[in-house]
Amino acid sequence: EVQLVESGGVLVQPGRSMKLSCAASGFTFSSFPMAWVRQAPTKGLEWVATISTSGGSTYYRDSVKGRFTISRDNAKSTLYLQMDSLRSEDTATYYCTTGWEFAYWGQGTLVTVSS
Amino acid sequence: DIVMTQGVLPNPVPSGESASITCRSSKSLVYKDGKTYLNWFLQRPGQSPQLLTYWMSTRASGVSDRFSGSGSGTYFTLKISRVRAEDAGVYYCQQVREYPRTFGSGTKLEIK
Repeated sequence: EVQLVESGGVLVQPGRSMKLSCAASGFTFSSFPMAWVRQAPTKGLEWVATISTSGGSTYYRDSVKGRFTISRDNAKSTLYLQMDSLRSEDTATYYCTTGWEFAYWGQGTLVTVSS
Repeated sequence: DIVMTQGVLPNPVPSGESASITCRSSKSLVYKDGKTYLNWFLQRPGQSPQLLTYWMSTRASGVSDRFSGSGSGTYFTLKISRVRAEDAGVYYCQQVREYPRTFGSGTKLEIK
């Protein structure tokens, strides 16, 4: 059974940093591109970033480019999202998801950016 | 960026009836391999999104055949036959033709 478990979401002040993790199991992690998608409270889904199987290619939405970094450790079957210079508009539940078709999703982790 | 525009449903839909959700893209989602890179998701209240269909019309593993996706390069429909209470939630279309990936704003389905 595919499992994705996100962690690391907390309350943080604007301008600070945090790192999210997504532990994967039940599939060959290194064979799938991975992505982060977020959802602000009561809002719709918003793609954040995608990383290729090897980690050699990464893609970001404009609003996080230069502030967020997606990475992966295939030996640990774990996906990461380093988030710097956080803004209030980054407040959201962050989901990790698999492949280009976003087939499997974790339960999400809530990031709140507020002073 | 490709803009995804979703339609509104005349809620609530009576149980056992059919419902069709529409989605339009600002650019063709047909890639040079001939596939149409359009996904449909359902997000039930309090849950994570669930993939329903990919490549516009291919059902994801374990998804009921009551869900069927169709369309052209820029206009798409997700049809739900014989709706049930468990189908209630928000449906999202998403293009994966190019970056940035973009979602529609969502279409809410309520069941009567």
